[in-house]
Amino acid sequence: GAGVSQSPRYKVTKRGQDVTLRCDPISSHATLYWYQQALGQGPEFLTYFNYEAQPDKSGLPSDRFSAERPEGSISTLTIQRTEQRDSAMYRCASSSGLAGGPTSFGPGTRLTVL
Amino acid sequence: DAKTTQPNSMESNEEEPVHLPCNHSTISGTDYIHWYRQLPSQGPEYVIHGLTSNVNNRMASLAIAEDRKSSTLILHRATLRDAAVYYCILRSSGNAGNMLTFGGGTRLMVKP
Repeated sequence: GAGVSQSPRYKVTKRGQDVTLRCDPISSHATLYWYQQALGQGPEFLTYFNYEAQPDKSGLPSDRFSAERPEGSISTLTIQRTEQRDSAMYRCASSSGLAGGPTSFGPGTRLTVL
Repeated sequence: DAKTTQPNSMESNEEEPVHLPCNHSTISGTDYIHWYRQLPSQGPEYVIHGLTSNVNNRMASLAIAEDRKSSTLILHRATLRDAAVYYCILRSSGNAGNMLTFGGGTRLMVKP
């Protein structure tokens, strides 16, 4: 596609509910990243995929957070039993995976947990 | 990952050049220097990157010191639309995944 897309753009949920966020990366990009961004802060790394493999989950805040990329393209980030502290912007990004190349970010999903 | 140090904020006048500095004294030979910016209410946007030589593109220029321990992002003619947080990030080809690690960045304010 032309760029990274994410859906939904906004999600409001009640504490304790599960939410799933979706990311559609640039089609030629092998590597996909998930970031969490609190208001006024820079994005913080959560996890990444190289095609369907998920080599690094070190940034996931708890075991309530999980991500998938089963066919090496679209990815989902699921937060189970949401808590108010999960409220943030969740950003997806993709790249060729090379250190000498750009990373493209999606518009993000604004999650609000009431 | 090697760290970068940037001023918290800078001001510029519209239509004047802006030089945004970044120190990275612990840079390694496999680290690329990347710059991203984030406009208000938008996702980070790639600006430019380089390894050893100075780089130019349609958005900006990147000047890299000879010892690679510092770099400067140059916006040749600032516009109001350039007001954003600018992040200087080292990205190592030796690290699997090559994820970007964002620091505090420099908030650039452009005055009309």
